[in-house]
Amino acid sequence: DVKVTQSSRYLVKRTGEKVFLECVQDMDHENMFWYRQDPGLGLRLIYFSYDVKMKEKGDIPEGYSVSREKKERFSLILESASTNQTSMYLCASSLSRADYGYTFGSGTRLTVV
Amino acid sequence: SQQGEEDPQALSIQEGENATMNCSYKTSINNLQWYRQNSGRGLVHLILIRSNEREKHSGRLRVTLDTSKKSSSLLITASRAADTASYFCATAFYNNNDMRFGAGTRLTVKP
Repeated sequence: DVKVTQSSRYLVKRTGEKVFLECVQDMDHENMFWYRQDPGLGLRLIYFSYDVKMKEKGDIPEGYSVSREKKERFSLILESASTNQTSMYLCASSLSRADYGYTFGSGTRLTVV
Repeated sequence: SQQGEEDPQALSIQEGENATMNCSYKTSINNLQWYRQNSGRGLVHLILIRSNEREKHSGRLRVTLDTSKKSSSLLITASRAADTASYFCATAFYNNNDMRFGAGTRLTVKP
């Protein structure tokens, strides 16, 4: 089974810090995605990537950036963390754009204080 | 946003009963998918139904799709306590293959 591993389960950071959330998948998937999940809002797409060094903005990219230097790794960067970025962050990967189901990591619950 | 919307927001049933959740969306889609999320964890893919399909089964799950009404339903038959979770629909649109998720239905199955 494909695995998507997020480096941290829980993270607490201070306002203004630069935060890196790491995601690694082990099944050679082309596509990787970052979502954030907030109560009542469901999952919202932040950024996604269809290839190495390629990135596209999702619905809420402000305050975030991403890096995909290797096919298996997709990093989400909070340039200057703010309290409104406190959330559950979910990484996902898929074999093709949307013809197959997404495989999700377990999530990183980030708290910005 | 083009995300789907699930209904109801919360559902509580007894073990053995059937659970039905609905999803509505706004524009034409390539496919629609259902996911389950246990508390505080990642989402697990349950089933995918393509726009040219009307019904799909997987074990105790039955999904229907009505593209004329832009809606889908997920039926879980003979529910178990282990089915307690949040269920999300996700849609992939023709002009944008990236999926969008609804806010989910919280299902509680009482033993």
